[in-house]
Amino acid sequence: AQSVTQLDSHVSVSEGTPVLLRCNYSSSYSPSLFWYVQHPNKGLQLLLKYTSAATLVKGINGFEAEFKKSETSFHLTKPSAHMSDAAEYFCVVSGVTGFQKLVFGTGTRLLVSP
Amino acid sequence: DGGITQSPKYLFRKEGQNVTLSCEQNLNHDAMYWYRQDPGQGLRLIYYSQIVNDFQKGDIAEGYSVSREKKESFPLTVTSAQKNPTAFYLCASSRRYRIDTQYFGPGTRLTVL
Repeated sequence: AQSVTQLDSHVSVSEGTPVLLRCNYSSSYSPSLFWYVQHPNKGLQLLLKYTSAATLVKGINGFEAEFKKSETSFHLTKPSAHMSDAAEYFCVVSGVTGFQKLVFGTGTRLLVSP
Repeated sequence: DGGITQSPKYLFRKEGQNVTLSCEQNLNHDAMYWYRQDPGQGLRLIYYSQIVNDFQKGDIAEGYSVSREKKESFPLTVTSAQKNPTAFYLCASSRRYRIDTQYFGPGTRLTVL
């Protein structure tokens, strides 16, 4: 069975500084991995996805993530935080066979201060 | 514009009443999903449907029911059997067997008084 662990429930950064949101995964098969963002009382928006192509994945709004099989990690980064990045971020894993259920992490709330 | 609409945005009900949450999509997606979100937890799958007139239980289906009579619609009924129904409910859709194409609606916040 697949699972993900988001290592920080809250991350605080200053505007203009780098962002690092950490995610470790567990999967019996080669997984598909995703990062979604959720602004307060809104639906989820896909930031980026890894589906066994390039290990460095670029997403929207300047975010990127690197798939590291040896570390079972898929950390999300951004070189310079913007106030509008303040939101909840979810790391998600799915299998590649059968019904491809999405399994969500518990989320990391990103706080950005001026 | 293509997308998913959920209505209403906020819903209040008395304990013991059934309530139906609406989800409509115009993305021409075959598959649709319902998730529940609670504070401090990730999303949990309630029901999903890969095709019209067929649906399957997810991880937390007890106390919920669905129907899929039309491709674009997937309503969720929260019944009185659901012990703790207050939550944020999210609907999603995707191309069949392509969960990496999943799009989410804006959600409905249900509060049971």
